[in-house]
Amino acid sequence: DTEVTQTPKHLVMGMTNKKSLKCEQHMGHRAMYWYKQKAKKPPELMFVYSYEKLSINESVPSRFSPECPNSSLLNLHLHALQPEDSALYLCASSQPDRPNYEQYFGPGTRLTVT
Amino acid sequence: RKEVEQDPGPFNVPEGATVAFNCTYSNSASQSFFWYRQDCRKEPKLLMSVYSSGNEDGRFTAQLNRASQYISLLIRDSKLSDSATYLCVVNPYNFNKFYFGSGTKLNVKP
Repeated sequence: DTEVTQTPKHLVMGMTNKKSLKCEQHMGHRAMYWYKQKAKKPPELMFVYSYEKLSINESVPSRFSPECPNSSLLNLHLHALQPEDSALYLCASSQPDRPNYEQYFGPGTRLTVT
Repeated sequence: RKEVEQDPGPFNVPEGATVAFNCTYSNSASQSFFWYRQDCRKEPKLLMSVYSSGNEDGRFTAQLNRASQYISLLIRDSKLSDSATYLCVVNPYNFNKFYFGSGTKLNVKP
């Protein structure tokens, strides 16, 4: 099973709202990722968790706050977002430190900030 | 210089055509290479990993040229359903970070 699930599929939020995106995988992967993707652009890395510890933060604004409660779950907490944060947010998982090991993506959450 | 570079296309080809995409990478120590396919408004899906000896999966062939630091994807007998954006992805594996090319858009026309 190579499934990564994400909820919700769609989210509309105001600039003063607080919301969370959720991601889950049961492939035993110990690396999990958040990406942001704008139309006609490749995915842009935001955060990487390796063995449940934050290992990469690509200088993401603090209005995005990641959390990895356990090896299967990854959350992205959103607060005071801007309209330019509207995008497709993708979660992915992989095995850290293993060559030739691919990355699997969830279906994404399409976020609209009004 | 970008880590991974791809021709954005679009490549417009008729059904049945053979089409090839190239992708260059800048880190000569890179170890892992992949092609992903992404349909409009969907997530990227792994098409194939690229191995040093080259590999084939049906109509798709991937090759790696370490000396020139590029990978290629060949699609034979193109189908309408092959229309998508193809993403080249490189992982130096010691950083747990995957580097994406900008994607190459393929339109297969009847």
